[in-house]
Amino acid sequence: EVQLVESGGGLIQPGGSLRLSCAASGFTISSNYMSWVRQAPGKGLEWVSAIYNSGNTYYADSVKGRFTISRDNSKNTLYLQMNSLRAEDTAVYYCARDSMMGYWGQGTLVTVSS
Amino acid sequence: DIVMTQSPDSLAVSLGERATINCKSSQSVLYSSNNKNYLAWYQQKPGQPPKLLIYWASTRESGVPDRFSGSGSGTDFTLTISSLQTEDVAVYYCQHYYGSQWTFGQGTKVEIK
Repeated sequence: EVQLVESGGGLIQPGGSLRLSCAASGFTISSNYMSWVRQAPGKGLEWVSAIYNSGNTYYADSVKGRFTISRDNSKNTLYLQMNSLRAEDTAVYYCARDSMMGYWGQGTLVTVSS
Repeated sequence: DIVMTQSPDSLAVSLGERATINCKSSQSVLYSSNNKNYLAWYQQKPGQPPKLLIYWASTRESGVPDRFSGSGSGTDFTLTISSLQTEDVAVYYCQHYYGSQWTFGQGTKVEIK
């Protein structure tokens, strides 16, 4: 059974850093496209970043230069390193599998506030 | 970036009636080399992650009721719920996965009239 479990969210001050994790089971993340998608409170979905099975990485303009997606194949875990956080980064962050996202985690809440 | 625009932002439909949601992309998401439209539809209920309904614009995900259908090509797409059920109350999103930056539409809230 495919499962995705996010962790690492919390309350962080503006300008701070946070690393999110997404532990996968039931499949191998290095064989699939993996994405991070976020949803601000009461708002719609925003694609944040993706890592292809090739290892190529891509970012939304809103996070480029501040966020880094990576994976640890030995742990079958996806990461999102978030630096220089802003209030507008406050959201539930989901990890999802494939470009047409058939599997999602339950999400982890990141709150950027002083 | 490709911008995805959905219409309407919300709609109220009577039980058993048809619901139609439109999605327009700012440029074509049809990849000519394989003749596939890189377009998906999702359903999201409160407190839950999104659920994939349709991919390649018209392929229904396994387990999705056949009252959900997707159509369109190029820049104009439609999600149709042929006979609205109570459990279909949700927000629906289109998403393109063409190229290296993917985007979602703003969402359409479907309610019972």
